[in-house]
Amino acid sequence: DAGITQSPRYKITETGRQVTLMCHQTWSHSYMFWYRQDLGHGLRLIYYSAAADITDKGEVPDGYVVSRSKTENFPLTLESATRSQTSVYFCASRDQTRKSQETQYFGPGTRLLVL
Amino acid sequence: AQKITQTQPGMFVQEKEAVTLDCTYDTSDPSYGLFWYKQPSSGEMIFLIYQGSYDQQNATEGRYSLNFQKARKSANLVISASQLGDSAMYFCAMREIGMDSSYKLIFGSGTRLLVRP
Repeated sequence: DAGITQSPRYKITETGRQVTLMCHQTWSHSYMFWYRQDLGHGLRLIYYSAAADITDKGEVPDGYVVSRSKTENFPLTLESATRSQTSVYFCASRDQTRKSQETQYFGPGTRLLVL
Repeated sequence: AQKITQTQPGMFVQEKEAVTLDCTYDTSDPSYGLFWYKQPSSGEMIFLIYQGSYDQQNATEGRYSLNFQKARKSANLVISASQLGDSAMYFCAMREIGMDSSYKLIFGSGTRLLVRP
């Protein structure tokens, strides 16, 4: 099915381990984004990418690394996970159709627990 | 700096009645976009409605409408004829459309809506 998918949907890891969250979209949207959602907060932008091989920091980038070698994939890596990175992570891509040219569509989210 | 404020942490509405969820924003950019997203208990983020700062008319999408008052910097979501399935968290978000904004969304803290049967 067309859309945006994330894997894994749930992940438990330990402090200090490296974790990679995957994001894949089938729309060929040029822009992709990673957000985190913490209890009591809205979403906060971690990193975004305007196109393959172009990435930039968002509001809360510390402790995260991204790459984008292909348009359809935008993985997020926690190089050394910390408990403060326990969160729900959402990937999104930007729709550029004329009517709703600014709309971002979200994946189903990944729930990450760092012990 | 951009800011989105949702002052209602939680709201109740009776089924079949209309409800308004408040959202105010702050930006110095004359060109921006406003969004509402719904997050049901299952966790996904569902796009509901979009309003551009230069749009002359308020946006509508089915039972959703956006009451856009530019001078007051408010973008309230109106849900008509509430249904039980409307029970969810609702987020207001803003995107500045300036050269440096790079299409980032800034989210409010959300309003939890509960529809009573």
